[in-house]
Amino acid sequence: EADIYQTPRYLVIGTGKKITLECSQTMGHDKMYWYQQDPGMELHLIHYSYGVNSTEKGDLSSESTVSRIRTEHFPLTLESARPSHTSQYLCASSDQGSNGYTFGSGTRLTVV
Amino acid sequence: SQQGEEDPQALSIQEGENATMNCSYKTSINNLQWYRQNSGRGLVHLILIRSNEREKHSGRLRVTLDTSKKSSSLLITASRAADTASYFCATDGVAGGTSYGKLTFGQGTILTVHP
Repeated sequence: EADIYQTPRYLVIGTGKKITLECSQTMGHDKMYWYQQDPGMELHLIHYSYGVNSTEKGDLSSESTVSRIRTEHFPLTLESARPSHTSQYLCASSDQGSNGYTFGSGTRLTVV
Repeated sequence: SQQGEEDPQALSIQEGENATMNCSYKTSINNLQWYRQNSGRGLVHLILIRSNEREKHSGRLRVTLDTSKKSSSLLITASRAADTASYFCATDGVAGGTSYGKLTFGQGTILTVHP
């Protein structure tokens, strides 16, 4: 079944730790995106990729980094987590057609 | 921000009633999309309307687009308790005729449908 998967679903981690949020899709989509969303608020684009070895920063400045070595995989890394990074991180992909974006279930990150 | 406002911020109705949500935006667009988000989950794509379209239907959903006013509305007819969720509009903006290739989201409308 074609889908997009994010792991972990929830993560509580101490300040200063390095973390990687995983995102994988099985639909063969070239475009992938990371959005950050605080509870009850709008989504802010922090990174996107148009294909393998292509990554761009989004509209909201973020200390995180991303990589796109394989079409299906778009991980997000925080080298040193801080409480200000506490948020929900949503991964999405698209095929540029009329189906819009397909979103993962999100990772809710809490940095203590 | 490329995106304007959504209103209302929250809407509470009874089952069977219609729900209307509005979205305004600031830039020229290639298309406008509506998404639904259940509490704490990812977003689900509902409908896409292109800049040269004025109205589109999908089941109980009706979307209108007025590019001269830079606004859109989402109508959910005969609402159900299961429609309770947050609804977001998102724009695929263009500059010089070229799509940015990324969506900008509004602040969302929280819809509560009481049984």
